[in-house]
Amino acid sequence: DTAVSQTPKYLVTQMGNDKSIKCEQNLGHDTMYWYKQDSKKFLKIMFSYNNKELIINETVPNRFSPKSPDKAHLNLHINSLELGDSAVYFCASSQRTSGGAKTQYFGPGTRLLVL
Amino acid sequence: AQSVTQPDIHITVSEGASLELRCNYSYGATPYLFWYVQSPGQGLQLLLKYFSGDTLVQGIKGFEAEFKRSQSSFNLRKPSVHWSDAAEYFCAVGGWRDDKIIFGKGTRLHILP
Repeated sequence: DTAVSQTPKYLVTQMGNDKSIKCEQNLGHDTMYWYKQDSKKFLKIMFSYNNKELIINETVPNRFSPKSPDKAHLNLHINSLELGDSAVYFCASSQRTSGGAKTQYFGPGTRLLVL
Repeated sequence: AQSVTQPDIHITVSEGASLELRCNYSYGATPYLFWYVQSPGQGLQLLLKYFSGDTLVQGIKGFEAEFKRSQSSFNLRKPSVHWSDAAEYFCAVGGWRDDKIIFGKGTRLHILP
């Protein structure tokens, strides 16, 4: 069973389009994250939700909007895609419990290419 | 400010040779430290982590890391590398009060046959 899954795995689209990426975890965790990995492999956190509440909201263009319908799912919607949005987007999950930087488990990534 | 430095962007070793990947961190309290590996086209997999206790931590795939508070380091080691170890390695730091962990920029490991 896949612990953290993402769909789609690949996404090729035109500039200006709107697209969504979905993430699901079956680990029973209460916290989920979105990261962006650029072409130089640098990982940057974008958002995090704990029990459907937004707890991390880094400096990200407001074209990016996360949504967490429940604690097992976290989606990322991107409006008006730009060339610079081309990257690999990773979802991750962890168990926040009483605090602490708990171990994060990553999905396989969604490779987004904007043409 | 919290940060992680991985001084080596690329490292090349011969198959069967020993390996050490360096990681230095800056953190204002007791750190939680992690090493992740990313194989080409894959997601990140946790190799090992340090929260407290024994400063020498054993991980999967024969890796180990040693936490040295005096040097603010958490170097990753393996006594004998295999061709399948070729990947990108990330060191990360967080803390008890943190909701996020900070990743280093990664070290790409190349293995010579």
